[in-house]
Amino acid sequence: QKEVEQDPGPLSVPEGAIVSLNCTYSNSAFQYFMWYRQYSRKGPELLMYTYSSGNKEDGRFTAQVDKSSKYISLFIRDSQPSDSATYLCVVNNFGNEKLTFGTGTRLTIIP
Amino acid sequence: SQTIHQWPATLVQPVGSPLSLECTVEGTSNPNLYWYRQAAGRGLQLLFYSVGIGQISSEVPQNLSASRPQDRQFILSSKKLLLSDSGFYLCAYTPNSGNTIYFGEGSWLTVV
Repeated sequence: QKEVEQDPGPLSVPEGAIVSLNCTYSNSAFQYFMWYRQYSRKGPELLMYTYSSGNKEDGRFTAQVDKSSKYISLFIRDSQPSDSATYLCVVNNFGNEKLTFGTGTRLTIIP
Repeated sequence: SQTIHQWPATLVQPVGSPLSLECTVEGTSNPNLYWYRQAAGRGLQLLFYSVGIGQISSEVPQNLSASRPQDRQFILSSKKLLLSDSGFYLCAYTPNSGNTIYFGEGSWLTVV
């Protein structure tokens, strides 16, 4: 079993829809969680960082963590064509130099 | 502010030629430094990471090597490239006092 499972997609939704991206992880020692957005042929950029269960909101983006279920989600409201990218979830525990990455979900927002 | 620079952005190299990709970080001291390779649809593969000058940990035995000659400089090298070395290479760092990882813009390597 992989430490982090992420549906690779591709996922296509119409503009304006709410997008839900999800990851599950197996190691309960993971303590903090991140989401990255990666445009084609570019490096990933940090979207959200959280280390507690619950929701964290930043503009149209909401990161949700459920440590009891080992489940993390990223919601995008009012999706825009510019949100079309690959989204990576990343998990780690404090003091560990090696982070664990999901394989990424490719998202396309259809105008 | 912290920034990361990685170059060259794109290169095409013949089989058997050497490789040098360079990465520098600004705005933080003693970062952890990383080299990743990303294959289409296969996620990020950690190649090397470094927690300090001259300290290199190799994750995947292969045709590549890494060096950290200065605190904020990380170099990925090969003496003789193989076709299978083609891919997208990403340098990244985590700040000394932080947990988030930041990536460079990446280097596209095509071995022909």
